[in-house]
Amino acid sequence: SAVISQKPSRDICQRGTSLTIQCQVDSQVTMMFWYRQQPGQSLTLIATANQGSEATYESGFVIDKFPISRPNLTFSTLTVSNMSPEDSSIYLCSVRTDLNTEAFFGQGTRLTVV
Amino acid sequence: EDKVVQSPLSLVVHEGDTVTLNCSYEVTNFRSLLWYKQEKKAPTFLFMLTSSGIEKKSGRLSSILDKKELFSILNITATQTGDSAIYLCAVGIGSQGNLIFGKGTKLSVKP
Repeated sequence: SAVISQKPSRDICQRGTSLTIQCQVDSQVTMMFWYRQQPGQSLTLIATANQGSEATYESGFVIDKFPISRPNLTFSTLTVSNMSPEDSSIYLCSVRTDLNTEAFFGQGTRLTVV
Repeated sequence: EDKVVQSPLSLVVHEGDTVTLNCSYEVTNFRSLLWYKQEKKAPTFLFMLTSSGIEKKSGRLSSILDKKELFSILNITATQTGDSAIYLCAVGIGSQGNLIFGKGTKLSVKP
């Protein structure tokens, strides 16, 4: 199993500003992901955070808007840039140790943009 | 396009009822199907299914996968108010490890 610490738990931000969300795992993991859950919706994958290289973004998500860092196998950050009210969502960090085990989730960050 | 469809989207039952939640999928390169319970923000893991016809069971919850018909069900017997949550179905594809989620079933259990 993996224990994930995600910070902040929640934040209220002004439009046009940026917020960086941190994800710390208690063990080294190869697979780390960032998901978004908009109000009343399911989880949508933003990107796969790759250690030592650029993240792999899903269709509809771009690096300029959601820059991701992954300096090592236990830590990653997601920045939500130039925020607008449409960015108000829950953002979730997730890891998997291998393809035969479940995905573990951080506690989530509830972002409200005003 | 890969997709996961859950039904019903919402369900209201009374304590003691039995419920069946459905999940169908159309994906390339299927690897696994997972069920999660989401009460607040972080989904908590329930089951992971990779083989057809093998029921997984944990207390009052059970799940089974049919890889021929491309669906899975999650059963909850003798429901309790604490079962009220959103139940998410997710499918793992390929070798990257990411999951495709359905929209979820919102279950409300009334006393």
